[in-house]
Amino acid sequence: GDSVTQTEGQVALSEEDFLTIHCNYSASGYPALFWYVQYPGEGPQFLFRASRDKEKGSSRGFEATYDKGTTSFHLRKASVQESDSAVYYCALGLNTGNYKYVFGAGTRLKVIA
Amino acid sequence: GALVYQYPRRTICKSGTSMRMECQAVGFQATSVAWYRQSPQKTFELIALSTVNSAIKYEQNFTQEKFPISHPNLSFSSMTVLNAYLEDRGLYLCGARDTSSYEQYFGPGTRLTVL
Repeated sequence: GDSVTQTEGQVALSEEDFLTIHCNYSASGYPALFWYVQYPGEGPQFLFRASRDKEKGSSRGFEATYDKGTTSFHLRKASVQESDSAVYYCALGLNTGNYKYVFGAGTRLKVIA
Repeated sequence: GALVYQYPRRTICKSGTSMRMECQAVGFQATSVAWYRQSPQKTFELIALSTVNSAIKYEQNFTQEKFPISHPNLSFSSMTVLNAYLEDRGLYLCGARDTSSYEQYFGPGTRLTVL
């Protein structure tokens, strides 16, 4: 079945560190790939998406590149801030008659000032 | 901008009773609405996908008899948790998909506590 795997359950960094959160997917078709961010007490917020191989999505300093060869969509940021502390979800979207999303388990990022 | 409202934000109900939650899309037309449950153990569980003028598709382990959904127009959806028990606790999220894009916008969720 279709699935998304996020390797890191939790990541702890200091401000200005480089961030990588790994995301790999498995899908029956050609999915769109998404990153969402969720702050405490709120619903997930759309960060960005990529729809085709080699396409780069970006927002707020975060970026990820769709890699069909390695089935990956890793999230990166060059210099994290304390305000980036949140849970990050990788997701895929597939049109299977109805448009369906599959989410990864999430990665909790804690940035220490 | 695109916003999704959910009501109520929090609710507490006694075991065996039912509660209804609502989802409203503002600033865009939602061709489909997905209801999810988020719990500490199971991240996002898709409950059902509702598309206006089409049958609602429930995921495995979720049924219409337990989670009836109404989606009468492109901006509003409601779901009821019938006969709630402890295992139904969690944050119920509504994700509304914009007709003109792939983006799915989430509401803040309805947190259900069952006593």
